[in-house]
Amino acid sequence: DTEVTQTPKHLVMGMTNKKSLKCEQHMGHRAMYWYKQKAKKPPELMFVYSYEKLSINESVPSRFSPECPNSSLLNLHLHALQPEDSALYLCASSQEFGAANYGYTFGSGTRLTVV
Amino acid sequence: GEDVEQSLFLSVREGDSSVINCTYTDSSSTYLYWYKQEPGAGLQLLTYIFSNMDMKQDQRLTVLLNKKDKHLSLRIADTQTGDSAIYFCAEIPPRGYNQGGKLIFGQGTELSVKP
Repeated sequence: DTEVTQTPKHLVMGMTNKKSLKCEQHMGHRAMYWYKQKAKKPPELMFVYSYEKLSINESVPSRFSPECPNSSLLNLHLHALQPEDSALYLCASSQEFGAANYGYTFGSGTRLTVV
Repeated sequence: GEDVEQSLFLSVREGDSSVINCTYTDSSSTYLYWYKQEPGAGLQLLTYIFSNMDMKQDQRLTVLLNKKDKHLSLRIADTQTGDSAIYFCAEIPPRGYNQGGKLIFGQGTELSVKP
């Protein structure tokens, strides 16, 4: 299995809703990432988990809450989002944080719309 | 993406070669990558090159690296309409360096292939 699987593919939520994005990989990768991407822009790093511990938080607002229940799963909990949070949310994984030889493997993303 | 620069648009005719250019500023990066993103999709790792190489060829793709000028290019031979996408160059600076361990993207080049 060489894929990163993200669910759901599309999500529409109101500003008062609570929802979660899920990401799963079975490649034995020990680093997992959340990125936010606006249309036709490069992905922006949000969080890095290394060996199931939060390693980097790129000053992301607290309405985004990551969670890594085990080495294969990564969640992003959403609460009280704003319309400007609408974007494509990408999950990625790599063998280790900073392991450069194979780059990162990306999922297909969750297209989030906040109304 | 402030350390990695790309031109934003490229338009070619089907069957022509496409050359997408990238300049990077962190000469310590060991690997450099090219990712492809089709509309509405995640990022697909196309190819990568190790910094001690000048060239890497993989079927229709040729990557050239000029480390002295910090210039990276991706040539797509016999470009097809299915190659229409955004192409991101990226690097991972080594741990201990500025942005070390993180995958740093350029702004992306939108390739349009006309029949």
